[in-house]
Amino acid sequence: NAGVTQTPKFQVLKTGQSMTLQCAQDMNHEYMSWYRQDPGMGLRLIHYSVGAGITDQGEVPNGYNVSRSTTEDFPLRLLSAAPSQTSVYFCASSYSTAGLEQYFGPGTRLTVT
Amino acid sequence: QKEVEQDPGPLSVPEGAIVSLNCTYSNSAFQYFMWYRQYSRKGPELLMYTYSSGNKEDGRFTAQVDKSSKYISLFIRDSQPSDSATYLCAMRTDYGGSQGNLIFGKGTKLSVKP
Repeated sequence: NAGVTQTPKFQVLKTGQSMTLQCAQDMNHEYMSWYRQDPGMGLRLIHYSVGAGITDQGEVPNGYNVSRSTTEDFPLRLLSAAPSQTSVYFCASSYSTAGLEQYFGPGTRLTVT
Repeated sequence: QKEVEQDPGPLSVPEGAIVSLNCTYSNSAFQYFMWYRQYSRKGPELLMYTYSSGNKEDGRFTAQVDKSSKYISLFIRDSQPSDSATYLCAMRTDYGGSQGNLIFGKGTKLSVKP
């Protein structure tokens, strides 16, 4: 049981480039979410999903897209990277569609130059 | 005023001390209260989860919720160097949709010295 996995662990992008952060879970959790963590800002919700085919915006969704075609996977796409998107990104999942007791992945450290 | 306030520390204590970590909040609709521990360069892991008011104990950890004061605490007894981490509080309402999303504090960095 791998839990929540994220790839890549580290990524450097140039301004304007696009990329996809991958997230997968093997716990059959319906709820999945993406957060970014910045110094002095805490964890902020970007997007979340309560099941395959259902996504919604969180607190800071601008510049990011998500889709959920399967229960297991919840990729986060950066459309045109900006330096303000330099952050650590965490994916999380929960057995509860209310998002209680979320299990977090190890994170992706993204730098945009 | 931020919805959830948490002193960032850092907090440094000697091994064996009792540690008290706290969060205050402004939204009286919060009903679910959680504490996460985050080691350096790792993802947060859920430590404790309580609903509404009261205490919950798990080994050396005790979570307390005082809804009348809008104040939650995490106590760590007999603290160990392995407890050195950042502790995040999180809370949410009973509401569905985006109004029910978890709101995190900024975290308190704890260092337990041998």
